Amino acid sequence: NAGVTQTPKFQVLKTGQSMTLQCAQDMNHEYMSWYRQDPGMGLRLIHYSVGAGITDQGEVPNGYNVSRSTTEDFPLRLLSAAPSQTSVYFCASRAPEIYGYTFGSGTRLTVV
Amino acid sequence: LAKTTQPISMDSYEGQEVNITCSHNNIATNDYITWYQQFPSQGPRFIIQGYKTKVTNEVASLFIPADRKSSTLSLPRVSLSDTAVYYCLVDKGGGNKLTFGTGTQLKVEL
Repeated sequence: NAGVTQTPKFQVLKTGQSMTLQCAQDMNHEYMSWYRQDPGMGLRLIHYSVGAGITDQGEVPNGYNVSRSTTEDFPLRLLSAAPSQTSVYFCASRAPEIYGYTFGSGTRLTVV
Repeated sequence: LAKTTQPISMDSYEGQEVNITCSHNNIATNDYITWYQQFPSQGPRFIIQGYKTKVTNEVASLFIPADRKSSTLSLPRVSLSDTAVYYCLVDKGGGNKLTFGTGTQLKVEL
């Protein structure tokens, strides 16, 4: 099992550009989430999904879109990148019967 | 969501037992207490979860008093590799909206 795989690991964008952060898990987990982590802060929930075709907003959803067409994949789209979106992004997944989330290793995004 | 309060940082030496206490005064009846560990440049890793009394696994123990307004994560005989940030979370067990605070930076020295 590869666990939760995030790509790319690093990305630099110019203001106004769009891009998709990829997240894939091979554990057949129903629940998936996206978080961002800013320096000196804890993680904040952006969007989450409880299964294919079902998504919902978290604490900081503005500027981001998600879709869940398969159980395995949960991409995060930045519509028009802004410097305020410079952060480390983590994807996580969990099966309903398991206590804790499995996190990916993160994508470090810089918007200039 | 219940707010948690934990120390910003703690220092310890190898071989010592470390206890990190978390305060969650507004915990609800159906809330669970969960701890995660995060190393630099990595995502958080689930350590342990409990509802009341004591839970133990191969990594740590979690002590929860009867009023559940606080909890203590106990790491037995820490090593340098336990240097990390530890997050205490309160969530509804099967919840999907984890709320992370700023965590406790544990530094273990020789």
